[in-house]
Amino acid sequence: EVQLLESGGNLVQPGGSLRLSCAASGFTFSSFAMNWVRQAPGKGLEWVSSVLGGGSGTYYADSVKGRFTISRDNSKNTLYLHMNSLRAEDTAVYHCVKGGADGNGWGAYGMDVWGQGTAVTVSS
Amino acid sequence: DIQLTQSPSFLSASVGDRVTITCRASQDISSYLAWYQQKPGKAPKLLIYAASTLQSGVPSRFSGSGSGTEFTLTISSLQPEDSAAYYCQQLRSYPLTFGGGTKVEIK
Repeated sequence: EVQLLESGGNLVQPGGSLRLSCAASGFTFSSFAMNWVRQAPGKGLEWVSSVLGGGSGTYYADSVKGRFTISRDNSKNTLYLHMNSLRAEDTAVYHCVKGGADGNGWGAYGMDVWGQGTAVTVSS
Repeated sequence: DIQLTQSPSFLSASVGDRVTITCRASQDISSYLAWYQQKPGKAPKLLIYAASTLQSGVPSRFSGSGSGTEFTLTISSLQPEDSAAYYCQQLRSYPLTFGGGTKVEIK
């Protein structure tokens, strides 16, 4: 069974840092693009970042560019999101999401497996 | 950035009704569009990818159509378990974007 299990969410002060992790199982992790998508309380979905299977292609929403870094360790089947200079507006549930394929055309297959998410609260 | 406009933002329909949700893109995204269903307190679930391909395990009453800038998600016969929020997403180019969502209520 394909599973994604996020961890690392917490209450953090504005300006602080946090690292989210996502442990993947049940599929060949290195063969798929991976993503972070967040959802603020009572709001819609917001794409945060994507990384291709090999780890070299990374992409970010303008709202997090320069503050967040996505990475992956294919030897550990784990996805990460390093979050710096956190703001109140970063408060959300962060979902780890598997892309349906890898490479530049992976988007044709959508985001087919979602983790339950880990909650990040930025507040003093 | 590509903007997605979903309509309506809310709809209320009866069991058995045919329901249609529209998603308009601000520029041509070919067929790089996906639809997701999200129930309260749960993670989103992929329903449709490539605009019209039904994800494995999704009931056949769900269908998607369209290409370019205009897309629709149709539920042919609404069921009680279809009460949820529905989101479209474009995956043609970064930044990836979602529509604002449609909340479907069962009368």
